[in-house]
Amino acid sequence: ETGVTQTPRHLVMGMTNKKSLKCEQHLGHNAMYWYKQSAKKPLELMFVYSLEERVENNSVPSRFSPECPNSSHLFLHLHTLQPEDSALYLCASSQEGVGQGIAGELFFGEGSRLTVL
Amino acid sequence: GQNIDQPTEMTATEGAIVQINCTYQTSGFNGLFWYQQHAGEAPTFLSYNVLDGLEEKGRFSSFLSRSKGYSYLLLKELQMKDSASYLCAVDSGTYKYIFGTGTRLKVLA
Repeated sequence: ETGVTQTPRHLVMGMTNKKSLKCEQHLGHNAMYWYKQSAKKPLELMFVYSLEERVENNSVPSRFSPECPNSSHLFLHLHTLQPEDSALYLCASSQEGVGQGIAGELFFGEGSRLTVL
Repeated sequence: GQNIDQPTEMTATEGAIVQINCTYQTSGFNGLFWYQQHAGEAPTFLSYNVLDGLEEKGRFSSFLSRSKGYSYLLLKELQMKDSASYLCAVDSGTYKYIFGTGTRLKVLA
């Protein structure tokens, strides 16, 4: 496999359920991201991991819990979500020149379409 | 604050040229990206500008003016498959990518 793969592609859950989204990158990158994409809104950065350490947490509600067990895998654990959390959740990876201000292109997965009932 | 503005929708005819503008105000700047996103698919990288001027890649070109906080994506010889959303994004610092809302381009036959 190549690139960034996300599972599941579609998920429907009730507000009391617990589920997880999975992301895997096969590019050897050192950073992984979770973004939320809602209709007519910019991509919202949720979490960033660099070398398995969380480096960004953009005031995301605690009902979203990320986990990065190694540099290739990223999870987003979901529990007691609200209907307004329904969106496309995109995982991305990049290779950053740490400390050098060198921009790295983001490689996105296909996304997980989440519907909260 | 940090802000990126781009038009919400544009329509153009097959074979024509279209220019999608993007203006930005960010606290830092390490480069500007353009991504293409077809409905239901992942965004894919189109171009990257960090210095002023024009970058050309086939039918697509991207321009940057850092002093004006302005970029555009130019699509030539439009094809039906170019119907997609085009996302402007600024790298405003390590790991800090700021995205616009995207411009939905419709190419008509």
